[in-house]
Order: sequence, then structure tokens, then C-alpha cells
Amino acid sequence: QVQLVQSGAEVKKPGSSLKVSCTASGGTFYTSAINWVRQAPGQGLEWMGSIIPVFGTTYYAKKFQGRVTIIADSSTNTAYMELSSLRSDDMAVYYCATGRTFTGHCTSTNCYGASHYMGVWGKGTTVTVSS
Amino acid sequence: QSVLTQPPSVSAAPGQKVTISCSGSSSNIGNNFVSWYQHLPGTAPKLLIYDNTQRPSGIPDRFSGSQSGTSATLDISGLQTGDEADYYCGTWDTSLSAGVFGTGTTVTVL
Repeated sequence: QVQLVQSGAEVKKPGSSLKVSCTASGGTFYTSAINWVRQAPGQGLEWMGSIIPVFGTTYYAKKFQGRVTIIADSSTNTAYMELSSLRSDDMAVYYCATGRTFTGHCTSTNCYGASHYMGVWGKGTTVTVSS
Repeated sequence: QSVLTQPPSVSAAPGQKVTISCSGSSSNIGNNFVSWYQHLPGTAPKLLIYDNTQRPSGIPDRFSGSQSGTSATLDISGLQTGDEADYYCGTWDTSLSAGVFGTGTTVTVL
């Protein structure tokens, strides 16, 4: 089974950028979706975005659009999440997770049947933002 | 502010059953499949249910999911002390073109 190994803890200054890596071992995530999820202290899980490497498709939560970039390098089985213009409320544990993102069947008026879930998770990367 | 609403907490005695609800809308739960996750402090979340009712390999059948209209439910029967954790529903929101999580529910075993 695929295991995800994330890069180590980071301490960043406000206004700087963060780049977290996530490497798959024991398999490939080329045909899967790679998601990034974070949890701030005392808060719930927050989906940030995902990439499906085989299609080159990315999706981002509206909250992070313009600040987050997710890329995948299939030659090294590694995904990266870059978050810019860091603020104190970006302090969180950041997780990568693979799974399935099928955005559903669409007619001219409706979309239905999307299947989106995350079955394998990394251990998380703790990010501190402090001046 | 999540588009999926869960009760903040539920509790029951060991051996009993708890039910966690997840309320959404037609752009998410009403037309798409739901997943459920267990999250213990200091660990990575674990997938319990996917596609409304399916359990990944290794997840006991004490955990079951269902969906009706714009709501989904996770049942945990035969409650054990090891089930104390936070539980989140998740799905795809077609209007947002984004994944979404519920607000999370803390399960306490009395």
C-alpha cells in the first residue's frame, strides 16, 4: 500500500512562502488525486486543494485561490503545496492525502455523482508562522 | 464556515450506539457521495466510509454510513473507548468545484 512521507516542520515569518512536499513510497499516486488538508489549532479539517497528475487537473478552495499552488512530479512521486503571503492564521498542521476525486456526470443543467475521498494520509507537517 | 453542518458533540455509554448527522445542500450531499473520517489528536485522519456506505478494508462493520436527500449519517454501534475522537463528513461541492468537510463532531464515551 502507498505510504505518504511529508517534509519536516517549518517556522516561517509573516509574508513569506511555504512549500511542503509529499512523497509516495510503495506505489504511485499518478492516477490518484492528491489533496492538501490543514487543521489550525482548535479548528476542524479544511480542504485546501487537489491535483490529479494523470490529467494535470488542479482544484483549489476559493479561500486559497491566488495564494496556493499544488504541483506533482511524477518522476519522483512527489507532490508539493506552496502557500504564499503567510499570515498568523496559516499556522496549522498540513496533511497530504491521496484518494479519488471524480467530479461527477454533468448534463446541461446539473452535475451529480461526484465521488471524492481520501484514503491514505501523510503524518502531517506542522507550520508555525511567527515574526 | 463549512457548507456541511454536524452536531458539535455526541456521547453514549460503552456498547451503545451513536449517530452523527451531516447536513448539506443539493450542490454537495444532495447529488454527490459522502465520506467519513475519524481523527484522533496527534494522528492523521482515517477514512471510515466512502461513497456513502462503503467501508475500506480493515474498518469494522460497527461503522456504517447512509445518505438521504441532503443529509448523511454515520452510525457507530458497540461503542468502545477507542472510538473517542473527532469525526468529519466530507464530499464534493459541485457549485464550488471543491472538496468540503463538515464542521466536525466529538464523540465521547461515557
